[in-house]
Amino acid sequence: QKEVEQNSGPLSVPEGAIASLNCTYSDRGSQSFFWYRQYSGKSPELIMSIYSNGDKEDGRFTAQLNKASQYVSLLIRDSQPSDSATYLCAASPNTNAGKSTFGDGTTLTVKP
Amino acid sequence: DAGVTQSPTHLIKTRGQQVTLRCSPISGHKSVSWYQQVLGQGPQFIFQYYEKEERGRGNFPDRFSARQFPNYSSELNVNALLLGDSALYLCASSLGEWAPQHFGDGTRLSIL
Repeated sequence: QKEVEQNSGPLSVPEGAIASLNCTYSDRGSQSFFWYRQYSGKSPELIMSIYSNGDKEDGRFTAQLNKASQYVSLLIRDSQPSDSATYLCAASPNTNAGKSTFGDGTTLTVKP
Repeated sequence: DAGVTQSPTHLIKTRGQQVTLRCSPISGHKSVSWYQQVLGQGPQFIFQYYEKEERGRGNFPDRFSARQFPNYSSELNVNALLLGDSALYLCASSLGEWAPQHFGDGTRLSIL
């Protein structure tokens, strides 16, 4: 079992819809959680970081964390074709992101 | 401000050779991490350095080594290259605790 598991995907949604990406982690000691977007051939780009239970909103993106269920999610509202990318979930054992364990990503396609 | 810079961008080596990859963090960032990303998978943590000291090491063989210099730049060395070392090597820097990490564009290493 991988330490960070994501929906294998691919996920396809129509333009304007809500895209829901899910992630579970096995290390209960994980304290920091991150969502990255990675376009094909590019490096990961941080979208959201979340450290405490609940929701965190930033524009069209909402991250949700439930430490009891060891579950992290990312919602993308009003999806745009430019959101088409691979989304990586990552967990870190402390407050420093530099030792993150990544999932293998979920590929999202937003169709016009 | 310049982002994380990595060099070279591409590299082709043969089995058994040695390689050195370089990374310059964002100005002011004292933490540098190295990740290996194989095609179709998420980045896998190799090393973290903070204030020139190793702060973490992932599940990689001793053929992999790294160091951080007084100016916080870093080098990743891989000896006795294997075909399986072919991957995108990513460097990320961060300010430290409670700070996200920012990735460079990576070095794509191909082993023939």
